[in-house]
Amino acid sequence: AQSVTQPDIHITVSEGASLELRCNYSYGATPYLFWYVQSPGQGLQLLLKYFSGDTLVQGIKGFEAEFKRSQSSFNLRKPSVHWSDAAEYFCAVGPKYFGNEKLTFGTGTRLTIIP
Amino acid sequence: NAGVTQTPKFQVLKTGQSMTLQCAQDMNHNSMYWYRQDPGMGLRLIYYSASEGTTDKGEVPNGYNVSRLNKREFSLRLESAAPSQTSVYFCASSVPPGGTDTQYFGPGTRLTVL
Repeated sequence: AQSVTQPDIHITVSEGASLELRCNYSYGATPYLFWYVQSPGQGLQLLLKYFSGDTLVQGIKGFEAEFKRSQSSFNLRKPSVHWSDAAEYFCAVGPKYFGNEKLTFGTGTRLTIIP
Repeated sequence: NAGVTQTPKFQVLKTGQSMTLQCAQDMNHNSMYWYRQDPGMGLRLIYYSASEGTTDKGEVPNGYNVSRLNKREFSLRLESAAPSQTSVYFCASSVPPGGTDTQYFGPGTRLTVL
């Protein structure tokens, strides 16, 4: 069965510092991978996605993620965080077409930004 | 273009009461989804509808029923609410029928069952 692990429940970084959020997945075939962000009291918004091709994908708000098949990872990065990046971040993995498997979300990483 | 809308935003129920959560999307998407979000558990899929007229169970369907009323609307019903159903419920939609692609989320319904 497919699964997603986000090993860091909570991360605190200083404004202007770099950020990396970890995501490891377990999936039998080529995965479709996503990063979503959830601001307090809001729904989820897509940051970026990977289906195929270039393993380094760019997203909105200056985020990027790199797909590493050998490590089963899809880590999210940002070179310099802003206070507005404080939110919860979810990694997700899924098949191309829903069947016995569907989109599976990780448990999330809460990001706190300190001045 | 409102995207995905959900009603109500907040609801408090007593154990055994029933209610229906409403969801509508105006993006002409084929697929719609219901998730629940609980602390430390991320989002879990309750039911989804790959296209109008079809529904299928997700990871945690017990205690819920759904109706895909038309292409725009997908409702979630709790027939006899239980405290374990206290959660935040999100509706989402995406373009492809039954395929994985960007999902657009509503703002959520915060449900408390006493």
